[in-house]
Amino acid sequence: GDSVTQMEGPVTLSEEACLTINCTYTATGYPSLFWYVQYPGEGLQLLLKATKADDKGSNKGFEATYRKETTSFHLEKGSVQVSDSAVYFCFPPFGSSNTGKLIFGQGTTLQVKP
Amino acid sequence: EADIYQTPRYLVIGTGKKITLECSQTMGHDKMYWYQQDPGMELHLIHYSYGVNSTEKGDLSSESTVSRIRTEHFPLTLESARPSHTSQYLCASSDTGIINSPLHFGNGTRLTVT
Repeated sequence: GDSVTQMEGPVTLSEEACLTINCTYTATGYPSLFWYVQYPGEGLQLLLKATKADDKGSNKGFEATYRKETTSFHLEKGSVQVSDSAVYFCFPPFGSSNTGKLIFGQGTTLQVKP
Repeated sequence: EADIYQTPRYLVIGTGKKITLECSQTMGHDKMYWYQQDPGMELHLIHYSYGVNSTEKGDLSSESTVSRIRTEHFPLTLESARPSHTSQYLCASSDTGIINSPLHFGNGTRLTVT
């Protein structure tokens, strides 16, 4: 069945370090792919998206490339900041528009230290 | 900018009380969802709706109920709260008219049952 696997956290980095959070999925068909971010005490916000194979989504210095051949959508940032400390969720919206069941990855907590 | 609102933000109540968590969106979205978020941050879908008078249970068994009498409103009710219901509850919506459209989230309700 459809599933998504995210890199386990927590991930602790020093400021200006490079970040990669892995996300792989299995799905019937080729959905659009999203990364969401959740800052402490808030709901989830859309961080970036990619709608088809080889698309690269980017926002706030974060990037992710839709790799159809490896069914992956890894999140990357070249230089993290303390303000990037949050929980990150990979989200391929499985199911057709008729099912409505939308399943998230388990989330990866990132802590950036000054 | 997404416009989806949840009230209250924080709620502390005693065991056995009946409570309703409110969720409203002003975007005209047909699809709405309730997620329960555990301390490990994983999101579990507990209810969803395709539109007015349509409600379905999600993947996680829940003793809560929902209703969808108006497009913009998707309240969640617990008839008799218990300490096991203590959690963060997140409401979301999405646009049916856009294939694989992203979810828009409220800021959540943090419920504590004593």
